[in-house]
Amino acid sequence: EAQVTQNPRYLITVTGKKLTVTCSQNMNHEYMSWYRQDPGLGLRQIYYSMNVEVTDKGDVPEGYKVSRKEKRNFPLILESPSPNQTSLYFCASSLRPGEKLFFGSGTQLSVL
Amino acid sequence: DQQVKQNSPSLSVQEGRISILNCDYTNSMFDYFLWYKKYPAEGPTFLISISSIKDKNEDGRFTVFLNKSAKHLSLHIVPSQPGDSAVYFCAASGRGTRGSTLGRLYFGRGTQLTVWP
Repeated sequence: EAQVTQNPRYLITVTGKKLTVTCSQNMNHEYMSWYRQDPGLGLRQIYYSMNVEVTDKGDVPEGYKVSRKEKRNFPLILESPSPNQTSLYFCASSLRPGEKLFFGSGTQLSVL
Repeated sequence: DQQVKQNSPSLSVQEGRISILNCDYTNSMFDYFLWYKKYPAEGPTFLISISSIKDKNEDGRFTVFLNKSAKHLSLHIVPSQPGDSAVYFCAASGRGTRGSTLGRLYFGRGTQLTVWP
């Protein structure tokens, strides 16, 4: 089944403790992206990747890192999480940039 | 600055009636428009799309209309059903500009649709 898989679904952590949210897609998509959803703000893009080893900042990249060493994986790294990064995170992929995006089920992150 | 705007945060409609969700955009380079539906605790799922060469696209109960001169699109759901209650996101991209910053989807902030019996 074609899908985007992100883990974990729920994560509670404390300020400053590094964490990684994993994302994997099995559709051989070139383009992958991370979004955060906050009440009243919709979906805001954090980082995106056009292909392997090609990543770039989205609208709200501060406090986040990403890597794209393989085509299928696009992890989101929070080196030193802060409470303002408490949010619902979605990974997404598409065959090419600007095309229909397929989303993962989301990761609800709480930073205490 | 938001390039895709959904000015109604919420919409409430009776079952069986028409739901009309609206979306405006500012960038004339956008040539591909999509609607996504999102239930709580799930990721957004693709609903319907339209290319700028068309002004209407239909899929069952869902129809999207595009008015390029007004930079406006709308999603019509007829008839509305309680299972349609969800957040609907409008998105746009400039597929003809791959490699530029338009080669990504820009999302509106969403409209919460509630369909009551």
